[in-house]
Amino acid sequence: GQNIDQPTEMTATEGAIVQINCTYQTSGFNGLFWYQQHAGEAPTFLSYNVLDGLEEKGRFSSFLSRSKGYSYLLLKELQMKDSASYLCAVKNAGNMLTFGGGTRLMVKP
Amino acid sequence: EAQVTQNPRYLITVTGKKLTVTCSQNMNHEYMSWYRQDPGLGLRQIYYSMNVEVTDKGDVPEGYKVSRKEKRNFPLILESPSPNQTSLYFCASSPSPGGTYEQYFGPGTRLTVT
Repeated sequence: GQNIDQPTEMTATEGAIVQINCTYQTSGFNGLFWYQQHAGEAPTFLSYNVLDGLEEKGRFSSFLSRSKGYSYLLLKELQMKDSASYLCAVKNAGNMLTFGGGTRLMVKP
Repeated sequence: EAQVTQNPRYLITVTGKKLTVTCSQNMNHEYMSWYRQDPGLGLRQIYYSMNVEVTDKGDVPEGYKVSRKEKRNFPLILESPSPNQTSLYFCASSPSPGGTYEQYFGPGTRLTVT
């Protein structure tokens, strides 16, 4: 089976940097996704990692360490609109996708 | 406009009354999937389909059925809904599950079973 852990809630200040961690245990690994979900809306894709290292995309970066079963999402220059839930999801060898419970990020002025 | 559509968006029904939630995508995607989202439990995969006539169970398939007769449609069927199936349901599609392709989510269907 698969187990994915991420913090339930985080708070950060506008303009700051925040790191959202995700640890996972999986039977077979075929990639890790990060999605953003605003309240009442559908999730939207942020990033995908399948190899170790950092993937940077504008203000958002995602890091993966397969040996440690660990990933983080880094958000820079936080804006109020970044207040949302951030979902970590792991794809297993059979292409089944398992999501973590999500981290609710609140950005304060 | 490329999109995933779901209908209905909101549904209140009673225990035991069969219902179908439709999902359609206009992007010619091979992969489609259904999820339910519950507070504290996150998104859980119900069923997924790698292509026409190919469906597989996800984490929580009990009480649900799906079919994939056409590439664009992937309906979710609840033969005998129960209150524990009250949830927010999302349909999603992807060009291919095997690569780095993201999933595109529909707007969600909020189902209440009384």
